[in-house]
Amino acid sequence: DSGVTQTPKHLITATGQRVTLRCSPRSGDLSVYWYQQSLDQGLQFLIQYYNGEERAKGNILERFSAQQFPDLHSELNLSSLELGDSALYFCASSLRTLADTQYFGPGTRLTVL
Amino acid sequence: GENVEQHPSTLSVQEGDSAVIKCTYSDSASNYFPWYKQELGKRPQLIIDIRSNVGEKKDQRIAVTLNKTAKHFSLHITETQPEDSAVYFCASSSNSGGSNYKLTFGKGTLLTVNP
Repeated sequence: DSGVTQTPKHLITATGQRVTLRCSPRSGDLSVYWYQQSLDQGLQFLIQYYNGEERAKGNILERFSAQQFPDLHSELNLSSLELGDSALYFCASSLRTLADTQYFGPGTRLTVL
Repeated sequence: GENVEQHPSTLSVQEGDSAVIKCTYSDSASNYFPWYKQELGKRPQLIIDIRSNVGEKKDQRIAVTLNKTAKHFSLHITETQPEDSAVYFCASSSNSGGSNYKLTFGKGTLLTVNP
C-alpha cells in the first residue's frame, strides 16, 4: 500500500457526461500528479499540483480540469466524455517536486459507454 | 517535447536468466530516471531510480545504468523469478516550462519469466 488513495475504484458512465475522480496523497506529500493509462497511449502525464497550485501540464485535454484543495486532496474533472476517454486514471504523490519519488494510487477505471 | 523510447516491448526469459530493458531519451536536461513495475490490474510501483550524478545504482537483483552522453539508461534484472513477470516502464524527467518538470514514460516492456 503506497498510502495514496483514490475513489471511486470503478466508474461507468455514458458519453457526454461529466465525472469527478478523487485522490488523497500520502501524508506529508505536497505534490499530486494525474496520469491516464490506456492500451494504445500507455502512461500519459496529465497535470501536477503542488501545495494547491498548478505546476506542470502534460497532455491534458481542455475538457479535463483538476484542482488541489487546502487539505491537499485533489480532484480530476472529466467532462463531455467520449468513448476514447475510457482508461485507467492514476494519481501519484511526492514530497515536493518531481525529483522526489512518486507513489501511485490504485487507480480509477473509467468506462464510457 | 521529451521522447522516451523503450525496448524491447516484450521479453521472455527462463527463470534464473538475466533480463535487460533499454530506454533512450531526448531531453539532455533530464536528470531523474525512475523505473516502475506494474503487475496486471495493479498500480505502477517504483523499483529503482537513478539521478544524473551517478552512472549506476544497484538494489539486490536489480540494477540501473545511465549513460548521459548517449542519453540512454537500462534496467538489469539478474536471477529472474516468475514473480518478476510484469510490465516495466522507464521514465525520464523533462522540463515542462520554467522550473517545472514532468515525467515522460516509455511504452513499457512486458517481461515474462518462464519457470
